[in-house]
Amino acid sequence: NAGVTQTPKFQVLKTGQSMTLQCAQDMNHNSMYWYRQDPGMGLRLIYYSASEGTTDKGEVPNGYNVSRLNKREFSLRLESAAPSQTSVYFCASSEARGLGETQYFGPGTRLLVL
Amino acid sequence: AQKITQTQPGMFVQEKEAVTLDCTYDTSDQSYGLFWYKQPSSGEMIFLIYQGSYDEQNATEGRYSLNFQKARKSANLVISASQLGDSAMYFCAPPGTSGSRLTFGEGTQLTVNP
Repeated sequence: NAGVTQTPKFQVLKTGQSMTLQCAQDMNHNSMYWYRQDPGMGLRLIYYSASEGTTDKGEVPNGYNVSRLNKREFSLRLESAAPSQTSVYFCASSEARGLGETQYFGPGTRLLVL
Repeated sequence: AQKITQTQPGMFVQEKEAVTLDCTYDTSDQSYGLFWYKQPSSGEMIFLIYQGSYDEQNATEGRYSLNFQKARKSANLVISASQLGDSAMYFCAPPGTSGSRLTFGEGTQLTVNP
C-alpha cells in the first residue's frame, strides 16, 4: 500500500497562474480532505469529501476548488494563485476508529506563490 | 465552539527521559475522542495514538501513552525513553463532527537533546 500520495512535492507559481494539486489513496477510504498548514496557524481545513461525488467547504475554502474524481482521487485547484496561498498543502483520507475517524496524511505539497 | 488547547508551544527533554505533552478539549459532548499526530521536520503527518472517552483504560502504543483525565477532558501524551527521532511537532485533535473533519490544536514543538 502506498497510502496517501500527493503530487507535486514542490511548486513555484506566479501570481495569477493556476494549478491543480493531485491526491490519491489506495486504502479504500470514503472520506478525503485538503488542509493547508501555515506557521503559527496550525492545520486548517480547506475542503473535504465525505464520499465519492460529494464535497463540502472547510474553514478556508476561498480561492480553491476541489474535485472528487472517484473514490481514490481528490484534487485541489487554485484558479488564480495569490501570494497568500503560499503554504504547505496536505491531503488526507480517513477510516472509522472509535467515535471518530483516523486520518492518514500524504507527504505534503510545498507551494510558493510569487 | 469546540476547541483544542495545547498550552506548550515548545518543550525540551533529554534523551532517554520521559516527557508529557498537554492537550485539553473544550467540548460539551460527553462522548468524544482525541487523536495525537506527529509531524517531523520532513513534513509528513503521522498518526500516533487515539483515546476514546468511553475507553476504560488509557491508550498505549509502544513508547506512547495517554494520560487521560475524563473530568478535565484532557488526553496528555506521554513519550517514554525519548529518542532523538522524537523531535517533531505534535498535534492533538478531536474527531470531526459533520464530515469527520479534524480540527488540530496549535501543536507543541518537542526537541530531544542528546
